[in-house]
Amino acid sequence: AQSVAQPEDQVNVAEGNPLTVKCTYSVSGNPYLFWYVQYPNRGLQFLLKYITGDNLVKGSYGFEAEFNKSQTSFHLKKPSALVSDSALYFCAVRDMNQAGTALIFGKGTTLSVSS
Amino acid sequence: DTGVSQNPRHKITKRGQNVTFRCDPISEHNRLYWYRQTLGQGPEFLTYFQNEAQLEKSRLLSDRFSAERPKGSFSTLEIQRTEQGDSAMYLCASSQYNQPQHFGDGTRLSIL
Repeated sequence: AQSVAQPEDQVNVAEGNPLTVKCTYSVSGNPYLFWYVQYPNRGLQFLLKYITGDNLVKGSYGFEAEFNKSQTSFHLKKPSALVSDSALYFCAVRDMNQAGTALIFGKGTTLSVSS
Repeated sequence: DTGVSQNPRHKITKRGQNVTFRCDPISEHNRLYWYRQTLGQGPEFLTYFQNEAQLEKSRLLSDRFSAERPKGSFSTLEIQRTEQGDSAMYLCASSQYNQPQHFGDGTRLSIL
């Protein structure tokens, strides 16, 4: 079965420090991976995606993610955190070998950036 | 790009009543998705349309739930005989083929 795991419910980081939000996945075929961010009472905003190619993917608002096939991970990173980055972050996967297009989401990680 | 629009933003109803939500996708997007999100969880897939055809339904979509996209543009999600467990945020997303899905701000359903 396809699944996504976000092992940390919350990540705390000081403004200006680097941040990492972890994600691991399990799919039967080739993964199509995403990160989304959600602010309170809002929908999800797309940050970045990995399909194929370079293992380091750059996205919106200075975020990037590193795909690691051997560790089945897709961690979200940012070199210097901002207070405004505080939000709920979701990793999602779609199995490209499956006919469906539904995204499977992790439970989310709350990022808290302190000033 | 006006984004995905969902109405109403919040719906409060009594148990047993029927409710209907509307989603207006980004105009050039041919795919439309419905998800349900409960507190502390990520969104869970409910159903998906390509143009007007409903191509995929989750087992979460019980027979009390029905979705339509009659002209391949806006979509409605109806829940009949609502139950306490239906309380959730209902999210709509759209995409152009396999491009990333863009989400609306959701409709929060509260069952009294």
